[in-house]
Amino acid sequence: GAVVSQHPSWVICKSGTSVKIECRSLDFQATTMFWYRQFPKQSLMLMATSNEGSKATYEQGVEKDKFLINHASLTLSTLTVTSAHPEDSSFYICSGSTSGTDTQYFGPGTRLTVL
Amino acid sequence: GENVGLHLPTLSVQEGDNSIINCAYSNSASDYFIWYKQESGKGPQFIIDIRSNMDKRQGQRVTVLLNKTVKHLSLQIAATQPGDSAVYFCAEISYNQGGKLIFGQGTELSVKP
Repeated sequence: GAVVSQHPSWVICKSGTSVKIECRSLDFQATTMFWYRQFPKQSLMLMATSNEGSKATYEQGVEKDKFLINHASLTLSTLTVTSAHPEDSSFYICSGSTSGTDTQYFGPGTRLTVL
Repeated sequence: GENVGLHLPTLSVQEGDNSIINCAYSNSASDYFIWYKQESGKGPQFIIDIRSNMDKRQGQRVTVLLNKTVKHLSLQIAATQPGDSAVYFCAEISYNQGGKLIFGQGTELSVKP
């Protein structure tokens, strides 16, 4: 149980375009979802935390107008990278957790390449 | 704080040997620690966790040791197998800092057959 999926698994886009990444909890209700970014050979960096039905809380240095997060249901959160640039190329990973627990279940990640 | 390395430390071991992966965490007030395994191109996979009121916890082939005095966490893997080759991250949670999961630098484990 506790499976999280992401779609797409990889995406290539042109500079200036927007890309939407979906994160779904398949067999549990994720009251909180997290979005991380990971550059090659580096650790996971938390970008934002979102609670279902509320606005996301962004980490310092993460532009909320550039990385739009929507968590409209208990099983789906989306991350939209707006006006993507090559420096946004990274591995984006989401996770979900249920209310009152520490455990985060991670998705398989989405590889974004901006040309 | 957050530890982000520009490169990953590596550990190379022979198949069948025991592996010890170390992690220095940053917040002395952290309450909960987790070890994750990340294979190339995949998301992190939970291995084992430990609360701050414990100093040792064992799982199947893995043991986590916590030394709060020196803020050190280690993961021991017994009889390391080629399938254990991956990057291993420690992560900490501090409830007095919003309960965010903060990842450590990571160590790349390479198992030679």
